[in-house]
Amino acid sequence: DVKVTQSSRYLVKRTGEKVFLECVQDMDHENMFWYRQDPGLGLRLIYFSYDVKMKEKGDIPEGYSVSREKKERFSLILESASTNQTSMYLCASSGYRVHNEKLFFGSGTQLSVL
Amino acid sequence: EDQVTQSPEALRLQEGESSSLNCSYTVSGLRGLFWYRQDPGKGPEFLFTLYSAGEEKEKERLKATLTKKESFLHITAPKPEDSATYLCAVQAGGSEKLVFGKGTKLTVNP
Repeated sequence: DVKVTQSSRYLVKRTGEKVFLECVQDMDHENMFWYRQDPGLGLRLIYFSYDVKMKEKGDIPEGYSVSREKKERFSLILESASTNQTSMYLCASSGYRVHNEKLFFGSGTQLSVL
Repeated sequence: EDQVTQSPEALRLQEGESSSLNCSYTVSGLRGLFWYRQDPGKGPEFLFTLYSAGEEKEKERLKATLTKKESFLHITAPKPEDSATYLCAVQAGGSEKLVFGKGTKLTVNP
């Protein structure tokens, strides 16, 4: 069965900490995405990647960076966590370069920044 | 700017009471419209992709339809297990990104 695994289900961090959110997919997909989901705002794209070592900014990249050293792994980095980055973070992958259909999502990481 | 608006925000139905969820969109050249289901504490799960006006797709009690300005997700004789948030998203021509609506939270009471 298709699987996108996010390393942590819940995470509590302090303001100013560097935070790493890890995502691994086992489908040999080229495309990987990081979204955040907030009540009343819906899903917003932070960064995405079409290939190893490639990255593209989404709609809200400020305060975030990403790393994709291996095809199956896509990491989201909060360089200096702030309280407004408290959110549900969702990783997704898909196998198509042009069509983003059948995005497969992980279960999410609920991050709280205190 | 590409936009997706879903209505209503929340919908309560009795088991067996059919209804429809709406997704209206403005996009420069629709490449695809997507429906996802999201259960509490989980990531969204893909349901359908629609590509052109007039297209319809069905899965169990769900049927998705598409016009040039909106999509409907029809739920026929829903069951409590259909309770979830339903998300609509569009992909514009020339864009690699999906733009999501805020979702409709559906509750089906037994």
